[in-house]
Amino acid sequence: DQQVKQNSPSLSVQEGRISILNCDYTNSMFDYFLWYKKYPAEGPTFLISISSIKDKNEDGRFTVFLNKSAKHLSLHIVPSQPGDSAVYFCAASHTGGFKTIFGAGTRLFVKA
Amino acid sequence: DVKVTQSSRYLVKRTGEKVFLECVQDMDHENMFWYRQDPGLGLRLIYFSYDVKMKEKGDIPEGYSVSREKKERFSLILESASTNQTSMYLCASSSDRTHQPQHFGDGTRLSIL
Repeated sequence: DQQVKQNSPSLSVQEGRISILNCDYTNSMFDYFLWYKKYPAEGPTFLISISSIKDKNEDGRFTVFLNKSAKHLSLHIVPSQPGDSAVYFCAASHTGGFKTIFGAGTRLFVKA
Repeated sequence: DVKVTQSSRYLVKRTGEKVFLECVQDMDHENMFWYRQDPGLGLRLIYFSYDVKMKEKGDIPEGYSVSREKKERFSLILESASTNQTSMYLCASSSDRTHQPQHFGDGTRLSIL
């Protein structure tokens, strides 16, 4: 039972354009969402998070949007850079829960 | 900066061996986690610990056990390694179980022959 789904295994974008990575979830109790970035041969690193009381959170080139009614969140990267090429994991958790659930990841390729 | 250190980057073991994966964190975090990462499956939680000597099963605990004798150290044990345990193993720590980011080590790529 995949509670957090990233339906696109990969995404290719031209340098300078916008990258949009999508994530859907099924558990309406989730109230905290995170994005992690992972380079090959390294562990995931935290990128940005959002609480369910917000619908948008921005940090430099990275913005996460949350649509609770659609149970959907997205990560926007503007402008995309070749160094953004990595696997991006969406993750979710809820108050009172005991673990964070991760999606399967989306591999982003940013072409120079 | 939080540092999570996993003892080995690459490990090759034989079927039936007992395998120990070690993880140390330097930020005094109460919570520590072990995941495995497989293509198309993302990160799956094996075990976690919220305090010394405390442990909880994650989604895929079968064939694994853990040990947390000191706050900074969390060990994953494969009791009798099998080929289906060939995977990337990731350790993480955090100050909160669910509402703070987790800090990950660089992973151990384990091959069971």
